[in-house]
Amino acid sequence: NAGVTQTPKFRILKIGQSMTLQCTQDMNHNYMYWYRQDPGMGLKLIYYSVGAGITDKGEVPNGYNVSRSTTEDFPLRLELAAPSQTSVYFCASSRGEGQPQHFGDGTRLSIL
Amino acid sequence: AQRVTQPEKLLSVFKGAPVELKCNYSYSGSPELFWYVQYSRQRLQLLLRHISRESIKGFTADLNKGETSFHLKKPFAQEEDSAMYYCALHNQGGKLIFGQGTELSVKP
Repeated sequence: NAGVTQTPKFRILKIGQSMTLQCTQDMNHNYMYWYRQDPGMGLKLIYYSVGAGITDKGEVPNGYNVSRSTTEDFPLRLELAAPSQTSVYFCASSRGEGQPQHFGDGTRLSIL
Repeated sequence: AQRVTQPEKLLSVFKGAPVELKCNYSYSGSPELFWYVQYSRQRLQLLLRHISRESIKGFTADLNKGETSFHLKKPFAQEEDSAMYYCALHNQGGKLIFGQGTELSVKP
């Protein structure tokens, strides 16, 4: 049982490049989330999804897009990478609202 | 405003000493509070939630609505408790709001 799997673990991008951070979970959870964590700060919610085909903005959605075509997958897309998006990105899932969230290992992204 | 505050970035104690990691929240509704922990080279994981009222790895946390606090306590710290600890609040919109985190360092 892998839980929540994120790929890649590390990535360096140039300003203006685009990329997709992958997240998949094998627990059949309805809810999935993307967070970013900047140094010395807590996790901030970027986007979340309560089920396939449904997504909604979190606290810091600007510069990102998501999709949820299946229950298992919740990719996060950066269209035009900016230095301010240098961060560690965490994907999480939960069975439902108010339930504990299960996290992936994170993706460390640097934009130069 | 909905907010979770962990006033200490770093807490350093000696093995066997009591430890208290502070968490204060600001929320107008009935809060659901959690403590998450991240050990070195491991993923963030749930430590405990206030509705369970249980002790995990010797840690307990009591919700004090009067003081809007949810401090994490352990009477005798162990070296393996060294980790990053995050307090989080679940709001009625289904979102987790995290504090900034406290790094606990337990020295031998």
